Amino acid sequence: SQQGEEDPQALSIQEGENATMNCSYKTSINNLQWYRQNSGRGLVHLILIRSNEREKHSGRLRVTLDTSKKSSSLLITASRAADTASYFCATSLSLNKFYFGSGTKLNVKP
Amino acid sequence: NAGVTQTPKFQVLKTGQSMTLQCAQDMNHEYMSWYRQDPGMGLRLIHYSVGAGITDQGEVPNGYNVSRSTTEDFPLRLLSAAPSQTSVYFCASSSGGAGGDTQYFGPGTRLTVL
Repeated sequence: SQQGEEDPQALSIQEGENATMNCSYKTSINNLQWYRQNSGRGLVHLILIRSNEREKHSGRLRVTLDTSKKSSSLLITASRAADTASYFCATSLSLNKFYFGSGTKLNVKP
Repeated sequence: NAGVTQTPKFQVLKTGQSMTLQCAQDMNHEYMSWYRQDPGMGLRLIHYSVGAGITDQGEVPNGYNVSRSTTEDFPLRLLSAAPSQTSVYFCASSSGGAGGDTQYFGPGTRLTVL
């Protein structure tokens, strides 16, 4: 079974609202990364958070990591229609070995 | 830099045929990986490499072979295609480093096996 699982599977919001996605995993990790995938395209790296970090920011993105609960969340503030995409978390158990969840499909309505 | 390139973009095979999916990167990355993505799902790791001459299996390696003779190239071979291998295949590379590093993905190869 996959190491990381995102929740919710789908999320529909209005432009300007915040979007929150969660990721849960099963075993200890080295780091956790979030990726975005636009329809029919490859994945684009958004942010990496290491196991000894609790929170990280990048522009409108905020990622938290709770290793005691084995969970992470991705917050996109003031969402835009261009943020419409699927978002995946990937956990790294060992160097260069990543496990992806099944993703959250975000739809931002203009 | 072209980043990570994959060829072909689309491919249709008949059951039992073999083929090689090509992947190349020009970022001098040591680490390269192959993933497959089935409809509505995340990526599953097929094989990965931590450097030229070194490869290892991921979650779903059966039916696939890899080799890494150079830092730049990491081809994926389908030995005898089966309909269950219909998927989108992504190649990725990263520079590695303590705790792992950002993966850069190619645009993908859409494979249909009839």
